[in-house]
Amino acid sequence: QLQLQESGPGLVKPSETLSLTCTVSSDSVYSSSHYWGWIRQPPGKGLEWIGTISYIGITYYNPSLESRVTISVDTSKNQLKLSSVTAADTGIYYCARQDAPRGAFDIWGQGTLVTVSS
Amino acid sequence: QSVLTQPPSASGTPGQRVTISCSGSTSNIGSNYVYWYQHLPGTAPKLLIYRNNQRPSGVPDRLTGSKSGTSASLAISGLRSEDEADYYCAAFDDSLPGYVFGTGTKVTVL
Repeated sequence: QLQLQESGPGLVKPSETLSLTCTVSSDSVYSSSHYWGWIRQPPGKGLEWIGTISYIGITYYNPSLESRVTISVDTSKNQLKLSSVTAADTGIYYCARQDAPRGAFDIWGQGTLVTVSS
Repeated sequence: QSVLTQPPSASGTPGQRVTISCSGSTSNIGSNYVYWYQHLPGTAPKLLIYRNNQRPSGVPDRLTGSKSGTSASLAISGLRSEDEADYYCAAFDDSLPGYVFGTGTKVTVL
């Protein structure tokens, strides 16, 4: 069973860059035809799509975050970078496998809490 | 502000049927597939319905997805205590463009 695990700092200072890694077990990102996405949930709010990357590095970003987001892919992991963070970027960040850029997120990681605070 | 609108809450007693609506527009639900996710706080969201009405393996057939025009719905029949969770619809929106989630519905089993 494929598993995804998010990792990274739980505390980021305002104006700095949030960096998270999603490690994929039992599969190689490069050998898969799937896509890999990032979704977040601010405290007390709903889910928000951040962006998606294909196994060959084609990216799709949420227009509201596009100027600050970079998603990259490696053999068994993909990485999210979100620059110039503010308190509004605090939340739980999930990585998930997607069957197509417009498709379903069928496997999710457990999520990691990121707090933006000085 | 999400472009997919759901009722904030829904409830029912064990065994009852609960239906959650998801209202969108021609640029999202009207022209793309709808997905439904179940989310228990502190856990990974789970895909319940894909391509409007398809269930992944392991999802019971008492969960049914449907779509008509620019709206979709998720019906949960034979309500159980383990169904108590947050439910989100989702779809791609051609006008953004991007993937959008609904506002979320909290289901309570009374």
